[in-house]
Amino acid sequence: KAGVTQTPRYLIKTRGQQVTLSCSPISGHRSVSWYQQTPGQGLQFLFEYFSETQRNKGNFPGRFSGRQFSNSRSEMNVSTLELGDSALYLCASSNSGSSYNEQFFGPGTRLTVL
Amino acid sequence: GENVEQHPSTLSVQEGDSAVIKCTYSDSASNYFPWYKQELGKRPQLIIDIRSNVGEKKDQRIAVTLNKTAKHFSLHITETQPEDSAVYFCAATQYSGAGSYQLTFGKGTKLSVIP
Repeated sequence: KAGVTQTPRYLIKTRGQQVTLSCSPISGHRSVSWYQQTPGQGLQFLFEYFSETQRNKGNFPGRFSGRQFSNSRSEMNVSTLELGDSALYLCASSNSGSSYNEQFFGPGTRLTVL
Repeated sequence: GENVEQHPSTLSVQEGDSAVIKCTYSDSASNYFPWYKQELGKRPQLIIDIRSNVGEKKDQRIAVTLNKTAKHFSLHITETQPEDSAVYFCAATQYSGAGSYQLTFGKGTKLSVIP
């Protein structure tokens, strides 16, 4: 099976702009989670989607949003970008349904906000 | 919510020595504890995990121990090799409702193995 893919891999934006990132999960996986990774902060949970519904949300402002399509592909959107949004954004897919399901990560999208 | 503390943040060992990374968690309902390895510029990958009904699990040079009473778990790497150099993340899984299980990660340990 192909792994989790994310596009684009790199993005440079300026403050105030908005951005959309895309994630394609492993075939058959219906759960997609998004994380923000910054130096020293580890991976912080943004939200999780399952069957086109947001099931869980982390402690991020409303500027961060997402959605999932019927083929399980997911997008996340960040509006009104701030310098502090510069980070590696990772998505992960899993079979869901159990706490023991491994999450498989994509390569990430490196977002730089100038 | 869950809080996961990870120590140390950096660790340097000589090749062949052992490395130990420790994590504590706050939510006693957490029941699954995976460890991820992230090499420079690469995605995090699961290297070992442990369920709350098990005290120890071993896979070749890697082992994980769990103390549910104290709410801490540790990663042990023996006979370290240069290719073990990476950032290691511990995580704890807790039920968040609506069928969702959330992973909360520690802030990572940068392990450097010196040849």
